[in-house]
Amino acid sequence: DQQVKQNSPSLSVQEGRISILNCDYTNSMFDYFLWYKKYPAEGPTFLISISSIKDKNEDGRFTVFLNKSAKHLSLHIVPSQPGDSAVYFCAANPPGAGSYQLTFGKGTKLSVIP
Amino acid sequence: GAGVSQSPSNKVTEKGKDVELRCDPISGHTALYWYRQSLGQGLEFLIYFQGNSAPDKSGLPSDRFSAERTGGSVSTLTIQRTQQEDSAVYLCASSLVRLANTGELFFGEGSRLTVL
Repeated sequence: DQQVKQNSPSLSVQEGRISILNCDYTNSMFDYFLWYKKYPAEGPTFLISISSIKDKNEDGRFTVFLNKSAKHLSLHIVPSQPGDSAVYFCAANPPGAGSYQLTFGKGTKLSVIP
Repeated sequence: GAGVSQSPSNKVTEKGKDVELRCDPISGHTALYWYRQSLGQGLEFLIYFQGNSAPDKSGLPSDRFSAERTGGSVSTLTIQRTQQEDSAVYLCASSLVRLANTGELFFGEGSRLTVL
């Protein structure tokens, strides 16, 4: 049972345009959501997060939106740059004792075309 | 060190052999995590260490997998009698405190294990 789903394995965007990466989740108990970015042969790096009490969090070119009723979140990158080309993982953090057990999606590979 | 260090970066082994993967977390980080990423899959939680507390081993897929953390720092993940389905990238991460809605795990570059 996949609790965090990234249904698009890949996405191509022109440089300068907006990239929108989507993530759906099934567990309504998740209360914190994170995006990680991974370059080839490197470990994932934390990008941005959002608490379930918010619906938007912005950090420079990166904005995460959370729609709790739809159990959906999205990462917007504006403007997209070639250096943004990477695999993006959505992750969710359940409350309680197991809060360190991040549940990850399978990732979306973003390619930003110059 | 500056970041989480893992070794070896690549390991090719024959089915049935034992392997050890090492993780050296960021100095001062009390929490250490092992995840693995199989081909085409997301990151799968394996085990979590926090300070001197008993580790949470609930993610280990079988009793062939074990891990220890010595002196609250370096960790070793051991896979006995490796199987082809064990082939994956094994990622270690550390954090300053137990992840409690702070968001950030610091990952190493991973150890790619291939079982022939």
